[in-house]
Amino acid sequence: EVQLLESGGGLVQPGGSLRLSCAASGFTFSTYAMGWVRQAPGRGLEWVSIITGSGATAYYADSVKGRFTISRDNSKNTLYLQMNSLRAEDTAVYYCAKDLGEYGGGPFDYWGQGTLVTVSS
Amino acid sequence: QPVLTQPPSASASLGASVTLTCTLSSGYSNYKVDWYQQRPGKGPRFVMRVGTGGIVGSKGDGIPDRFSVLGSGLNRYLTIKNIQEEDESDYHCGADHGSGSNLVFGGGTKLTVL
Repeated sequence: EVQLLESGGGLVQPGGSLRLSCAASGFTFSTYAMGWVRQAPGRGLEWVSIITGSGATAYYADSVKGRFTISRDNSKNTLYLQMNSLRAEDTAVYYCAKDLGEYGGGPFDYWGQGTLVTVSS
Repeated sequence: QPVLTQPPSASASLGASVTLTCTLSSGYSNYKVDWYQQRPGKGPRFVMRVGTGGIVGSKGDGIPDRFSVLGSGLNRYLTIKNIQEEDESDYHCGADHGSGSNLVFGGGTKLTVL
């Protein structure tokens, strides 16, 4: 059974940093692209970032480019999202998602339950 | 990149059928769209991918046969037959624009079961 468990969310001040983690199990982690999608309170889904199975290539939404960094440790079956220079508009539930393939292109066939990030002073 | 438009709400009676629509912006009629179900307080769940020829690939795990899709022109449809209480959810559509490098979502449709 595929399981994705996010952690690391919390309250952070504007300009601060946070690192999210996503522990994966139930599949061969290194052979699938993984991504982050966020959902602001009462809003729709917004794609944040994706990384290929090997970790060699990553892509970012314009809204987070230069501030967020996606990475993965295939030996630990864990996906990360380092978030720097956080803004109030980054407040959202962040979901970890598994892609159907190694290089992205979707769909995201499994999702975690999410972790809430609140950026506020 | 495409813009995906979804009506904000829909409703249907228990046991009835409903069709949800996701409309691609002009010029993107060849794009495939992914449907996701999100129950209250839960993470999204993949339903299925749809192109102009219908379903692409397989349904998501545990998606019942009551769920089906069609694609026509700029529209991608998700039909749910014999609606159950458990189908009350937000339904999101998404489309990939560039091999995973730029994914866009519609605003979501909240389905209420009456």
